[in-house]
Amino acid sequence: EVQLVESGGGLVQPGGSLRLSCAASGFTFSSYEMNWVRQAPGKGLEWVSYISSSGSTIYYADSVKGRFTISRDNAKNSLYLQMNSLRAEDTAVYYCARTEQLVPPSTYNWFDPWGQGTLVTVSS
Amino acid sequence: DIQMTQSPSSLSASVGDRVTITCRASQSISSYLNWYQQKPGKAPKLLIYAASSLQSGVPSRFSGSGSGTDFTLTISSLQPEDFATYYCQQSYSTPPVTFGQGTRLEIK
Repeated sequence: EVQLVESGGGLVQPGGSLRLSCAASGFTFSSYEMNWVRQAPGKGLEWVSYISSSGSTIYYADSVKGRFTISRDNAKNSLYLQMNSLRAEDTAVYYCARTEQLVPPSTYNWFDPWGQGTLVTVSS
Repeated sequence: DIQMTQSPSSLSASVGDRVTITCRASQSISSYLNWYQQKPGKAPKLLIYAASSLQSGVPSRFSGSGSGTDFTLTISSLQPEDFATYYCQQSYSTPPVTFGQGTRLEIK
Protein backbone atom coordinates (compact mmCIF):
# COMPACT_ATOMS: atom_id res chain seq x y z
CA GLU A 1 0.00 0.00 0.00
CA VAL A 2 1.29 3.43 -0.95
CA GLN A 3 1.54 5.47 2.24
CA LEU A 4 2.91 8.78 3.49
CA VAL A 5 3.15 9.44 7.23
CA GLU A 6 4.10 12.85 8.60
CA SER A 7 5.54 13.54 12.03
CA GLY A 8 7.28 16.29 13.94
CA GLY A 9 4.49 18.78 14.42
CA GLY A 10 3.79 20.49 17.71
CA LEU A 11 3.61 23.75 19.61
CA VAL A 12 6.47 26.19 19.07
CA GLN A 13 6.99 29.82 20.05
CA PRO A 14 7.24 32.58 17.44
CA GLY A 15 10.76 32.73 16.10
CA GLY A 16 11.35 29.08 16.90
CA SER A 17 12.18 26.12 14.70
CA LEU A 18 10.67 22.76 13.92
CA ARG A 19 11.56 19.89 11.60
CA LEU A 20 8.83 17.89 9.94
CA SER A 21 9.37 14.42 8.51
CA CYS A 22 7.39 12.37 6.02
CA ALA A 23 8.01 8.63 5.83
CA ALA A 24 7.14 7.01 2.53
CA SER A 25 6.34 3.35 1.90
CA GLY A 26 4.82 1.14 -0.76
CA PHE A 27 6.53 2.80 -3.72
CA THR A 28 9.98 3.65 -5.07
CA PHE A 29 10.44 6.92 -3.22
CA SER A 30 13.59 7.90 -5.11
CA SER A 31 11.64 8.02 -8.39
CA TYR A 32 9.10 10.61 -7.30
CA GLU A 33 8.96 14.37 -6.87
CA MET A 34 7.52 15.42 -3.53
CA ASN A 35 5.78 18.42 -2.01
CA TRP A 36 4.66 20.02 1.22
CA VAL A 37 1.19 21.60 1.31
CA ARG A 38 -0.32 23.31 4.33
CA GLN A 39 -3.77 24.24 5.54
CA ALA A 40 -4.34 26.89 8.19
CA PRO A 41 -7.26 26.19 10.57
CA GLY A 42 -10.54 26.62 8.71
CA LYS A 43 -8.75 27.77 5.55
CA GLY A 44 -7.88 26.39 2.13
CA LEU A 45 -4.87 24.57 0.78
CA GLU A 46 -1.55 26.35 0.22
CA TRP A 47 1.38 24.78 -1.58
CA VAL A 48 4.61 25.29 0.40
CA SER A 49 7.53 23.57 -1.31
CA TYR A 50 8.63 21.11 -4.00
CA ILE A 51 11.67 18.87 -4.40
CA SER A 52 12.65 16.81 -7.42
CA SER A 53 13.31 13.09 -7.19
CA SER A 54 17.07 13.57 -6.89
CA GLY A 55 16.81 16.66 -4.72
CA SER A 56 18.56 18.80 -7.28
CA THR A 57 15.59 21.10 -7.98
CA ILE A 58 13.75 22.86 -5.17
CA TYR A 59 11.02 25.50 -5.12
CA TYR A 60 9.33 27.44 -2.33
CA ALA A 61 6.26 29.57 -1.93
CA ASP A 62 7.12 33.23 -1.43
CA SER A 63 5.54 33.09 2.03
CA VAL A 64 8.21 30.66 3.32
CA LYS A 65 11.22 31.43 1.13
CA GLY A 66 14.33 32.03 3.19
CA ARG A 67 12.82 30.46 6.31
CA PHE A 68 11.92 26.89 5.29
CA THR A 69 14.19 24.24 3.77
CA ILE A 70 12.94 21.12 2.04
CA SER A 71 15.17 18.06 1.76
CA ARG A 72 14.98 14.33 1.24
CA ASP A 73 16.92 11.17 2.04
CA ASN A 74 16.17 8.60 -0.64
CA ALA A 75 18.07 5.92 1.26
CA LYS A 76 15.68 6.40 4.18
CA ASN A 77 12.55 6.96 2.04
CA SER A 78 12.01 10.22 3.86
CA LEU A 79 11.08 13.82 3.10
CA TYR A 80 11.79 16.71 5.46
CA LEU A 81 10.81 20.30 6.05
CA GLN A 82 13.05 22.41 8.27
CA MET A 83 11.06 25.41 9.45
CA ASN A 84 12.91 28.34 11.03
CA SER A 85 11.83 31.81 12.17
CA LEU A 86 8.30 30.54 12.60
CA ARG A 87 5.41 33.00 12.69
CA ALA A 88 1.85 32.78 13.93
CA GLU A 89 0.68 32.66 10.31
CA ASP A 90 2.62 29.42 9.80
CA THR A 91 0.14 27.67 12.08
CA ALA A 92 -1.39 24.93 9.94
CA VAL A 93 -1.68 21.26 9.24
CA TYR A 94 1.24 20.32 7.02
CA TYR A 95 0.77 17.56 4.47
CA CYS A 96 3.36 15.83 2.35
CA ALA A 97 2.11 14.85 -1.09
CA ARG A 98 3.61 12.88 -3.94
CA THR A 99 3.62 14.29 -7.45
CA GLU A 100 2.06 11.81 -9.82
CA GLN A 101 2.07 12.30 -13.56
CA LEU A 102 1.13 10.76 -16.85
CA VAL A 103 3.77 8.90 -18.82
CA PRO A 104 6.17 11.30 -20.58
CA PRO A 105 6.12 13.19 -22.88
CA SER A 106 2.90 14.24 -21.16
CA THR A 107 3.50 16.81 -18.42
CA TYR A 108 0.11 16.52 -16.74
CA ASN A 109 0.67 16.08 -13.02
CA TRP A 110 -1.21 16.09 -9.73
CA PHE A 111 -0.82 15.30 -6.02
CA ASP A 112 -1.53 11.72 -4.99
CA PRO A 113 -1.40 10.40 -2.36
CA TRP A 114 -1.32 12.78 0.58
CA GLY A 115 -0.22 11.99 4.09
CA GLN A 116 -2.58 12.40 7.05
CA GLY A 117 -0.95 15.68 8.05
CA THR A 118 0.83 16.99 11.13
CA LEU A 119 -0.29 20.08 13.04
CA VAL A 120 2.13 22.93 13.64
CA THR A 121 1.01 25.59 16.11
CA VAL A 122 3.06 28.75 16.48
CA SER A 123 2.05 30.58 19.62
CA SER A 124 3.52 32.07 22.77
CA ASP B 1 0.97 33.49 -10.40
CA ILE B 2 -2.19 31.89 -11.75
CA GLN B 3 -5.23 32.59 -9.59
CA MET B 4 -7.94 29.96 -9.27
CA THR B 5 -11.47 31.03 -8.36
CA GLN B 6 -14.17 28.56 -7.41
CA SER B 7 -17.89 29.18 -7.32
CA PRO B 8 -19.92 28.91 -5.31
CA SER B 9 -17.96 29.05 -2.07
CA SER B 10 -20.65 26.97 -0.41
CA LEU B 11 -23.58 24.99 -1.62
CA SER B 12 -26.52 23.23 0.01
CA ALA B 13 -27.98 20.23 -1.76
CA SER B 14 -29.95 17.08 -1.11
CA VAL B 15 -29.14 13.43 -1.61
CA GLY B 16 -29.87 12.55 -5.22
CA ASP B 17 -29.29 16.08 -6.54
CA ARG B 18 -27.06 16.88 -9.48
CA VAL B 19 -24.41 19.36 -8.43
CA THR B 20 -21.94 21.43 -10.43
CA ILE B 21 -18.94 23.33 -9.06
CA THR B 22 -17.07 25.80 -11.24
CA CYS B 23 -13.38 26.70 -11.25
CA ARG B 24 -11.97 29.58 -13.25
CA ALA B 25 -8.30 30.26 -13.93
CA SER B 26 -6.88 33.77 -14.31
CA GLN B 27 -5.22 32.67 -17.57
CA SER B 28 -5.39 29.67 -19.84
CA ILE B 29 -4.15 26.47 -18.24
CA SER B 30 -5.07 24.09 -21.06
CA SER B 31 -6.32 20.96 -19.24
CA TYR B 32 -3.86 21.16 -16.34
CA LEU B 33 -6.63 21.12 -13.76
CA ASN B 34 -7.17 18.68 -10.90
CA TRP B 35 -10.00 18.25 -8.41
CA TYR B 36 -9.73 17.07 -4.80
CA GLN B 37 -12.26 16.15 -2.13
CA GLN B 38 -11.55 16.82 1.53
CA LYS B 39 -13.61 15.66 4.48
CA PRO B 40 -13.25 17.22 7.95
CA GLY B 41 -10.05 16.17 9.67
CA LYS B 42 -8.84 14.21 6.66
CA ALA B 43 -6.29 14.73 3.92
CA PRO B 44 -7.41 15.79 0.45
CA LYS B 45 -8.20 12.97 -1.95
CA LEU B 46 -7.70 13.14 -5.70
CA LEU B 47 -10.91 12.83 -7.73
CA ILE B 48 -10.14 14.10 -11.22
CA TYR B 49 -6.84 14.83 -12.98
CA ALA B 50 -6.09 16.51 -16.29
CA ALA B 51 -9.53 18.16 -16.18
CA SER B 52 -11.59 15.10 -17.06
CA SER B 53 -9.79 11.87 -16.13
CA LEU B 54 -11.37 9.97 -13.26
CA GLN B 55 -8.92 8.70 -10.67
CA SER B 56 -9.00 4.95 -10.15
CA GLY B 57 -11.49 3.95 -7.47
CA VAL B 58 -13.50 7.18 -7.65
CA PRO B 59 -17.22 6.60 -8.31
CA SER B 60 -18.41 7.34 -11.82
CA ARG B 61 -20.97 9.86 -10.56
CA PHE B 62 -18.04 12.29 -10.42
CA SER B 63 -17.00 13.90 -13.70
CA GLY B 64 -14.89 16.84 -14.79
CA SER B 65 -14.89 18.98 -17.90
CA GLY B 66 -13.43 22.13 -19.36
CA SER B 67 -10.24 23.52 -20.81
CA GLY B 68 -8.55 26.88 -21.07
CA THR B 69 -9.89 28.96 -18.19
CA ASP B 70 -13.24 27.42 -17.26
CA PHE B 71 -13.75 24.05 -15.62
CA THR B 72 -16.55 22.17 -13.88
CA LEU B 73 -16.82 19.30 -11.45
CA THR B 74 -20.18 17.55 -11.61
CA ILE B 75 -21.66 15.03 -9.20
CA SER B 76 -24.52 13.37 -11.03
CA SER B 77 -26.46 12.07 -8.02
CA LEU B 78 -25.29 13.18 -4.58
CA GLN B 79 -24.66 10.49 -2.03
CA PRO B 80 -24.38 11.05 1.74
CA GLU B 81 -20.61 10.46 1.63
CA ASP B 82 -20.13 13.25 -0.94
CA PHE B 83 -20.74 16.07 1.52
CA ALA B 84 -17.28 17.58 1.82
CA THR B 85 -15.14 20.46 0.58
CA TYR B 86 -13.88 20.40 -2.99
CA TYR B 87 -10.76 22.11 -4.31
CA CYS B 88 -9.48 22.70 -7.81
CA GLN B 89 -5.74 22.98 -8.47
CA GLN B 90 -3.73 24.08 -11.51
CA SER B 91 -0.47 22.42 -12.50
CA TYR B 92 0.12 24.33 -15.76
CA SER B 93 2.43 27.06 -14.58
CA THR B 94 4.50 26.13 -11.57
CA PRO B 95 5.86 27.12 -9.24
CA PRO B 96 3.70 27.94 -7.55
CA VAL B 97 1.02 25.30 -7.66
CA THR B 98 -2.22 27.13 -6.85
CA PHE B 99 -5.54 25.96 -5.48
CA GLY B 100 -9.01 27.38 -5.57
CA GLN B 101 -10.41 28.61 -2.26
CA GLY B 102 -12.66 25.58 -1.93
CA THR B 103 -16.37 24.83 -2.24
CA ARG B 104 -18.12 23.48 0.83
CA LEU B 105 -20.95 21.12 -0.08
CA GLU B 106 -23.50 20.81 2.71
CA ILE B 107 -26.63 18.81 3.27
CA LYS B 108 -29.88 20.73 2.70
